[in-house]
Amino acid sequence: GAVVSQHPSRVICKSGTSVKIECRSLDFQATTMFWYRQFPKQSLMLMATSNEGSKATYEQGVEKDKFLINHASLTLSTLTVTSAHPEDSSFYICSARVGLAGGRVDTQYFGPGTRLTVL
Amino acid sequence: AQSVTQLGSHVSVSEGALVLLRCNYSSSVPPYLFWYVQYPNQGLQLLLKYTTGATLVKGINGFEAEFKKSETSFHLTKPSAHMSDAAEYFCAVSALAGNQFYFGTGTSLTVIP
Repeated sequence: GAVVSQHPSRVICKSGTSVKIECRSLDFQATTMFWYRQFPKQSLMLMATSNEGSKATYEQGVEKDKFLINHASLTLSTLTVTSAHPEDSSFYICSARVGLAGGRVDTQYFGPGTRLTVL
Repeated sequence: AQSVTQLGSHVSVSEGALVLLRCNYSSSVPPYLFWYVQYPNQGLQLLLKYTTGATLVKGINGFEAEFKKSETSFHLTKPSAHMSDAAEYFCAVSALAGNQFYFGTGTSLTVIP
């Protein structure tokens, strides 16, 4: 159980185009989904937190208009990189969690990641 | 606020030797602690987690970690390293009623045959 998928796994695009990455929880409903960015040989940096049906909360320094996040259902969140540029090339990883009763935090289940290369 | 420090960005061990990956945390509230493993070009896989209860936590692939509040540590160990253990390992902390994971900078484990 607790499988999270991402699509596509790899994408190459030209500078100036937009790219959409999907994150799906396959066997559970995710009240919250997270989007991370990982540069080579570095840790994960949280970009934004999205709760189903509400606007995403972006971390400081993350451009909201560039990284559009939609969490339309309890099993799907999308990240759209708008007008992508080479510096946006990175490994993007989503995760999903189910909140437990009483406000306790459950584990985050991670997707396999999407490698974005902008030429 | 929470934070995680992983001492040693690179650790090398011989096959069959003890694996010890260090993680110290800082948290203003009782923490939830996690260890994840990442293989090249893949996402993160949960190895184990500590929430409450027993401080020695056993995970997958023979790994275990012990929560030591007095030392604010959550070190990951495995008695005997296997070649397949070579990967990047991340420690993470989350607040009890919080929403955000804070990751350490990761430790790259190399297993020498």
